[in-house]
Amino acid sequence: DTEVTQTPKHLVMGMTNKKSLKCEQHMGHRAMYWYKQKAKKPPELMFVYSYEKLSINESVPSRFSPECPNSSLLNLHLHALQPEDSALYLCASSQELAQTYEQYFGPGTRLTVT
Amino acid sequence: AQKVTQAQTEISVVEKEDVTLDCVYETRDTTYYLFWYKQPPSGELVFLIRRNSFDEQNEISGRYSWNFQKSTSSFNFTITASQVVDSAVYFCALRVDNYGQNFVFGPGTRLSVLP
Repeated sequence: DTEVTQTPKHLVMGMTNKKSLKCEQHMGHRAMYWYKQKAKKPPELMFVYSYEKLSINESVPSRFSPECPNSSLLNLHLHALQPEDSALYLCASSQELAQTYEQYFGPGTRLTVT
Repeated sequence: AQKVTQAQTEISVVEKEDVTLDCVYETRDTTYYLFWYKQPPSGELVFLIRRNSFDEQNEISGRYSWNFQKSTSSFNFTITASQVVDSAVYFCALRVDNYGQNFVFGPGTRLSVLP
């Protein structure tokens, strides 16, 4: 089973709201990722967790706050977002963080900030 | 620095035609991995293939084939007898280190297969 699930599929939020995106995998993978993808662009890496510890933060604004409660779950907490944060947010996982392993992606959450 | 170029922004073909998607990469590392992903309109990136820098063998999987040539730093992807379901954006990607950074995506090629 090479499935990564994400909820919700769509999210509309105001600039003063607080919301969370959720990601789950049951493949026993120890590395999990958040990407942001704008229309007609490739995904951009935001955060990487390895063994439930934040390994990489690609200089993402603090209004995005990741959390890894356990090895299967990854959350992205959103607060005081801007309209330019509207995008497709993709979660991915890989067996380990090493370069040899491919990443498996979820279907994404399409976020609109009004 | 690492870079992936996919010169073809958009390609349109008629069903059953063969189509090749180009990917050219740049890196000074001798150990690296190349990937192809498919992103259909639904949004999910689907893993297609991984190739390491020491394995230049071409790969065939059904209607898909990949041609890796280190001499030209290219990793091209061919779909034989294309189908409408092949319509998607295809990303070539490069990864060079063990720490998660430098998973570099190309800009993508949008393939439209017309019936």
